[in-house]
Amino acid sequence: RKEVEQDPGPFNVPEGATVAFNCTYSNSASQSFFWYRQDCRKEPKLLMSVYSSGNEDGRFTAQLNRASQYISLLIRDSKLSDSATYLCVVTGQRGYSSASKIIFGSGTRLSIRP
Amino acid sequence: NAGVTQTPKFQVLKTGQSMTLQCAQDMNHEYMSWYRQDPGMGLRLIHYSVGAGITDQGEVPNGYNVSRSTTEDFPLRLLSAAPSQTSVYFCASRNGQTLNDYGYTFGSGTRLTVV
Repeated sequence: RKEVEQDPGPFNVPEGATVAFNCTYSNSASQSFFWYRQDCRKEPKLLMSVYSSGNEDGRFTAQLNRASQYISLLIRDSKLSDSATYLCVVTGQRGYSSASKIIFGSGTRLSIRP
Repeated sequence: NAGVTQTPKFQVLKTGQSMTLQCAQDMNHEYMSWYRQDPGMGLRLIHYSVGAGITDQGEVPNGYNVSRSTTEDFPLRLLSAAPSQTSVYFCASRNGQTLNDYGYTFGSGTRLTVV
């Protein structure tokens, strides 16, 4: 089983729709969680951190469910510019060296159509 | 402020050749890492460094060497290129002091093809 798993998609939704993805992780000791966005043939860029209480940034909402070991990303009122691959990122356990080991999911492709 | 600079952007190697992928950052970040990205596999950690003079292996280190003689530079060496090393390589750095401070800055990537 992969340490971090995502539905690869693609999710193909119309502009204005609401779309949600989940990401599951296997290590219950994981400490921090993030969503990254990667455009085609570009480098990943941080979209938002995921906090235990859930957090929102404009049209984007991130949630963490430690009991079920998954994080989610909700995009409301989707725009054409939201088309990208969304990577979930889970950090390692406590400890100096292992804190540097960050696990990326393989990504969920999202395509917004006009 | 250039961020993370990777060179070259594209490279074609013959099987058995060696080469070095360069990575430099000008943000005085302590942590630097090399990842490879393959279709359906996501980003996999090759090697990482928590500071000058300190390196460690990641998930897929075989066939690669790194060194960290300065804070700024973290080159990745392919010892004897194999077709299985055809991939997109990303260098990343961050200045995280705590477990919650993980703003990774990525370079623009090196697309490597081994024939």
